[in-house]
Amino acid sequence: GAGVSQTPSNKVTEKGKYVELRCDPISGHTALYWYRQSLGQGPEFLIYFQGTGAADDSGLPNDRFFAVRPEGSVSTLKIQRTERGDSAVYLCASSQTVGANTEAFFGQGTRLTVV
Amino acid sequence: AQSVTQPDIHITVSEGASLELRCNYSYGATPYLFWYVQSPGQGLQLLLKYFSGDTLVQGIKGFEAEFKRSQSSFNLRKPSVHWSDAAEYFCAVVRGIGFQKLVFGTGTRLLVSP
Repeated sequence: GAGVSQTPSNKVTEKGKYVELRCDPISGHTALYWYRQSLGQGPEFLIYFQGTGAADDSGLPNDRFFAVRPEGSVSTLKIQRTERGDSAVYLCASSQTVGANTEAFFGQGTRLTVV
Repeated sequence: AQSVTQPDIHITVSEGASLELRCNYSYGATPYLFWYVQSPGQGLQLLLKYFSGDTLVQGIKGFEAEFKRSQSSFNLRKPSVHWSDAAEYFCAVVRGIGFQKLVFGTGTRLLVSP
């Protein structure tokens, strides 16, 4: 596609429920990133995929968070037993390759609200 | 650890006036630095980046930034602000073995007055 697409754009869920957030990267981009942006903060790194594998998941806050990218394209961020503190905008980005000299293109994000 | 600090939460500038947004970094060696802009309803967009070489970097939309090692700064500037520049601006540095993780500052919200 023309850009990184994230669905849904907004998600409201009840505390304790399970949610899935989807990211469609730019076609041909091998690297995919998830970030979380809380109100009034800059985005914080969660996880990064190179192809199908999670190359660095050091930013996932706990084991309720999990992400997959089974075919090396679309990725899903999964959150179990959601808590109100999980409310944030979840941003996905993709880049053609890895490294500082490659530009990461961001989607518009999914705004998750846990009530 | 590498990090960036944006000391100004909000800045208001009159349309047509010049702009400077501050960013300070903490890192021992030469960092890889970025400025991103986030407009309402839009994704983060890269304005410019610095890796090495010329310390004055030109970006899109008429923005530039200057890397000053002596001051550990990478301030963003624009000579004449337009109302459409109103947005949130983030400074960032890369981390990780493959330089794959962006570490963002807390952002500066730019308001443009008529």
